[in-house]
Amino acid sequence: GAVVSQHPSWVICKSGTSVKIECRSLDFQATTMFWYRQFPKQSLMLMATSNEGSKATYEQGVEKDKFLINHASLTLSTLTVTSAHPEDSSFYICSARDPLAGGITSYNEQFFGPGTRLTVL
Amino acid sequence: TQLLEQSPQFLSIQEGENLTVYCNSSSVFSSLQWYRQEPGEGPVLLVTVVTGGEVKKLKRLTFQFGDARKDSSLHITAAQPGDTGLYLCAGISGNTPLVFGKGTRLSVIA
Repeated sequence: GAVVSQHPSWVICKSGTSVKIECRSLDFQATTMFWYRQFPKQSLMLMATSNEGSKATYEQGVEKDKFLINHASLTLSTLTVTSAHPEDSSFYICSARDPLAGGITSYNEQFFGPGTRLTVL
Repeated sequence: TQLLEQSPQFLSIQEGENLTVYCNSSSVFSSLQWYRQEPGEGPVLLVTVVTGGEVKKLKRLTFQFGDARKDSSLHITAAQPGDTGLYLCAGISGNTPLVFGKGTRLSVIA
């Protein structure tokens, strides 16, 4: 099956620094990737949709200047948390959509990365 | 806004018991997925149901999609400690992003 990787798997940083998280589709090309945030004991909350070669679409309440998303190639999307603060500490998960998965069925399957645990001190 | 309600939110049962988790919405979805997530890891897809009324079985797990494609259920027979985790349902509608339910945290005690 399709594999999505994330790097790093965990990161600890000081308040005010910026952190970059990478999301890669390893064996397929992903025109669309998604970034989610998950707080302890909660479900996944969609932050933004990343489209290759164009600007990301952010969900309501997500600051686009704070969470910079770049999808420069069909296999890589990056999320940069700028000027991170303790309240940004969370589990960040990306997913990638394989447009060829399932052939021409009515759904586009998303494949999830293993997540990145961010802790801001 | 499409919402998916999952119930129960938390479930703690003894090994060998059966359980059912429900996922309900007022919206129609083209398909619905169930994921299982363990702490510190990304969600792993268990099944996708596409047709209204569809029933899929995965070993001791039985998934059903409602006739109207607004709801789904996950039934686990003879639960084992290895079934412990967060179960998430997610609805698919066209090319829009997945809509996740809040999840059901299952704990199976040996």
